[in-house]
Amino acid sequence: NAGVMQNPRHLVRRRGQEARLRCSPVKGHSHVYWYRQLPEEGLKFMVYLQKENIIDESGMPKERFSAEFPKEGPSILRIQQVVRGDSAAYFCASSLDRGEYFGPGTRLTVL
Amino acid sequence: GNSVTQMEGPVTLSEEAFLTINCTYTATGYPSLFWYVQYPGEGLQLLLKATKADDKGSNKGFEATYRKETTSFHLEKGSVQVSDSAVYFCALSSQGAQKLVFGQGTRLTINP
Repeated sequence: NAGVMQNPRHLVRRRGQEARLRCSPVKGHSHVYWYRQLPEEGLKFMVYLQKENIIDESGMPKERFSAEFPKEGPSILRIQQVVRGDSAAYFCASSLDRGEYFGPGTRLTVL
Repeated sequence: GNSVTQMEGPVTLSEEAFLTINCTYTATGYPSLFWYVQYPGEGLQLLLKATKADDKGSNKGFEATYRKETTSFHLEKGSVQVSDSAVYFCALSSQGAQKLVFGQGTRLTINP
């Protein structure tokens, strides 16, 4: 997976709790992407970030979801007040150019 | 908008069979095209890519040719192995955009 790290790998939350997903890109990569994969479906783009900037958030739900990529530290995808429909695999990818390198994903289960 | 359509699965083959997984796309301009593979419980791995018309991407015995006239990028392998069992995703990245647009995936199972 070319060095993209995600944690936790599995996350269980109850409805109404917050979920915080972390992504450390490949060293030297300044572009980070978040995708969501629902069961038996392809990946859907959520958000594209560069250091301290959100470049494209056209795939992010308007409420409860937010993402950041600070100057120091990992990128964070935050889901507030989770609902059962948020259960999915969330993948982070990083790149210098097209053809991103994907992390192993965080599998979120909402009870 | 941009979109990718893949051959529906699941696909089941015997070892050493010939594999084709069809992929067609809709995009403006000249997108880059990719095949990714996802093994059970893992993230996606880039299998191969092509960035311009008539380019052929190849890796691990898999090949795909960027056909602009038919807007296709079909994945082929001459002799599959049990270890090729996985889900395969076709994807595109359009000119001027960084994000990937994925097809729905094709689950491939190879029986010994």
